[in-house]
Amino acid sequence: GAVVSQHPSRVICKSGTSVKIECRSLDFQATTMFWYRQFPKQSLMLMATSNEGSKATYEQGVEKDKFLINHASLTLSTLTVTSAHPEDSSFYICSAGPGSRGNTEAFFGQGTRLTVV
Amino acid sequence: KQEVTQIPAALSVPEGENLVLNCSFTDSAIYNLQWFRQDPGKGLTSLLLIQSSQREQTSGRLNASLDKSSGRSTLYIAASQPGDSATYLCAVQTGANNLFFGTGTRLTVIP
Repeated sequence: GAVVSQHPSRVICKSGTSVKIECRSLDFQATTMFWYRQFPKQSLMLMATSNEGSKATYEQGVEKDKFLINHASLTLSTLTVTSAHPEDSSFYICSAGPGSRGNTEAFFGQGTRLTVV
Repeated sequence: KQEVTQIPAALSVPEGENLVLNCSFTDSAIYNLQWFRQDPGKGLTSLLLIQSSQREQTSGRLNASLDKSSGRSTLYIAASQPGDSATYLCAVQTGANNLFFGTGTRLTVIP
C-alpha cells in the first residue's frame, strides 16, 4: 500500500508556543490530505481537509487561526498548532490516498502525540 | 450526517477463537468502507477496503462483509492470536472523500 509519513511522532511544548506537524506522502502525489484529532479512548474526528495550492477546509468548531494548515506541494501538508494550550494536547493524525476523488483508499501517518505543559 | 457505530466496544477472547466485529452506519450513500487496526499510541493500519459495489473482501485470516442497503459491515477474524490484540476501527468514505469513523472495538486475545 501507499506510504504516509508523519513527523514528529511525539512532541512536548510549553503553553503559548507553536508546534508544526508534517505529513508526507512518500510514493504518491496527494492533492488532498486530511487532518484528524483523537482524544483518549475516542475515535478520530476530522479537523480539516488540506488542499494543495488552496485554502484548507475546516470542520465546524475547528479554529482555522489556531490550527494553520499549509499544503504547498503534492507530497507535503503541515499542521501548525499556534499558541498551544494544555487542552490542545491530543493525538493528531493525517491521512491521504492515491486514486480518484470519492473512491480512495486512505492511508494514515503514524500520528503525533502532542503534550502541552 | 453520517454516524458510524461499532459493537461491542470491547471484546476479550481466548487464543484460537473465531470472532466477529460489527459496524453500522446510518447513511448508505457511501463509496467504500475500510477496516483499520490501531495499536496503542500508534497510527492506523489499513486492513481491508470494500467498495460499495462489493459484498466482501478477504485478506489472510480476515474477512470483511458489507451490506450497504442495511448499513452494516462485519469483520471476521479466524483463529485469533495474541498479536491481533488492538483496537479495530471501521470507517465509511463519502463523496467528500473524508472518512467517518466508528468508535472502535478494543480486542484482547488471551494466550
